Amino acid sequence: AQSVTQPDIHITVSEGASLELRCNYSYGATPYLFWYVQSPGQGLQLLLKYFSGDTLVQGIKGFEAEFKRSQSSFNLRKPSVHWSDAAEYFCAASSGGGADGLTFGKGTHLIIQP
Amino acid sequence: EAEVAQSPRYKITEKSQAVAFWCDPISGHATLYWYRQILGQGPELLVQFQDESVVDDSQLPKDRFSAERLKGVDSTLKIQPAELGDSAMYLCASSLGQGAYNEQFFGPGTRLTVL
Repeated sequence: AQSVTQPDIHITVSEGASLELRCNYSYGATPYLFWYVQSPGQGLQLLLKYFSGDTLVQGIKGFEAEFKRSQSSFNLRKPSVHWSDAAEYFCAASSGGGADGLTFGKGTHLIIQP
Repeated sequence: EAEVAQSPRYKITEKSQAVAFWCDPISGHATLYWYRQILGQGPELLVQFQDESVVDDSQLPKDRFSAERLKGVDSTLKIQPAELGDSAMYLCASSLGQGAYNEQFFGPGTRLTVL
């Protein structure tokens, strides 16, 4: 079955420090990959996406992610976090085609320490 | 900026009652999705529409859930009867068309509590 795994339920990072959130996928073929952020009271917002080509993708709010086929991973990174980055982060995948609903991981809750 | 609208934002009901949620997608978006997000989990797809047609409802519990998009614009998700395990956030998303390259835009959700 197709699945997305986010191994870390919670991550605590000091403000100004770097961040890496892990995501692994299990699909028959390389899926389309996404990272979303969900803040309290806010809807899900797309940070970035990977379809093909350059394995390092840039997104909004200073985030980037690297696709590694050999590791079936799509980890999210940010060089320096801000207190406003505290939120829930979801990795998602889609096999594409007509039925292209997203399969989400369980999320990683990011806590920023002052 | 165009947004996906959902109502109500919050709903409290007793088990065995019927509930309904409404979603108005971004104007011109042909594809509409309903997701359910249980507390502490990621969203899971319930149903996908392309215009008024169902594309994927394989994860929709059809014994109690129904969804419609009669005119291919707004959509209603219904639960009858509601069960305690249905307590969750129900999210609606829309995109210009089918295909993962079309970004899905999410609404704020309806938080359902079943007592």
